[in-house]
Amino acid sequence: AQSVTQPDIHITVSEGASLELRCNYSYGATPYLFWYVQSPGQGLQLLLKYFSGDTLVQGIKGFEAEFKRSQSSFNLRKPSVHWSDAAEYFCAVGYMEYGNKLVFGAGTILRVKS
Amino acid sequence: DGGITQSPKYLFRKEGQNVTLSCEQNLNHDAMYWYRQDPGQGLRLIYYSQIVNDFQKGDIAEGYSVSREKKESFPLTVTSAQKNPTAFYLCASSPMVVGPQHFGDGTRLSIL
Repeated sequence: AQSVTQPDIHITVSEGASLELRCNYSYGATPYLFWYVQSPGQGLQLLLKYFSGDTLVQGIKGFEAEFKRSQSSFNLRKPSVHWSDAAEYFCAVGYMEYGNKLVFGAGTILRVKS
Repeated sequence: DGGITQSPKYLFRKEGQNVTLSCEQNLNHDAMYWYRQDPGQGLRLIYYSQIVNDFQKGDIAEGYSVSREKKESFPLTVTSAQKNPTAFYLCASSPMVVGPQHFGDGTRLSIL
């Protein structure tokens, strides 16, 4: 069965420090991968997506993610975190054979300390 | 601007009462979804619809019902059979092909 694991429930980083949020998916077929961000009481906003091609994808707000098939991972990175990045981040995976349904990870809450 | 509108933002349910959450989109998307969000559990799929007058159960459909009479609208009813309805409910839409889903701002449902 498809599943997505985000191993870190909470992460705290200092403002200006680099960030990496981890995401692993379980199913072996070619995945479509997404990262979303959610501010408290709001919906989810798409940060970036991977469908095929270059395994390093750039997104909005200075985020990037790298698809590593050998590790079944799609980690999200940002070189320098801003206080406004504090939010909850969700990784999601989809597969062509399952239509347009997505499976979401449990989320990682990012705290930024000044 | 195109987007997804969920209403109301806050909703309170009394014991034994059914309540309906509204979701409207003007993105011309074929597929629509309802998710339930609880702290630490991510998003769990309740129902989804890929075409008008057709919908499928997701992972946690018990105690919920939906309809899809128009492409733009996908209301969710939380019935009295749902014994733990307190949660944040998110509606989303997407084109038919695999791709990103677009989300509304959610409805928070609480029990009186």
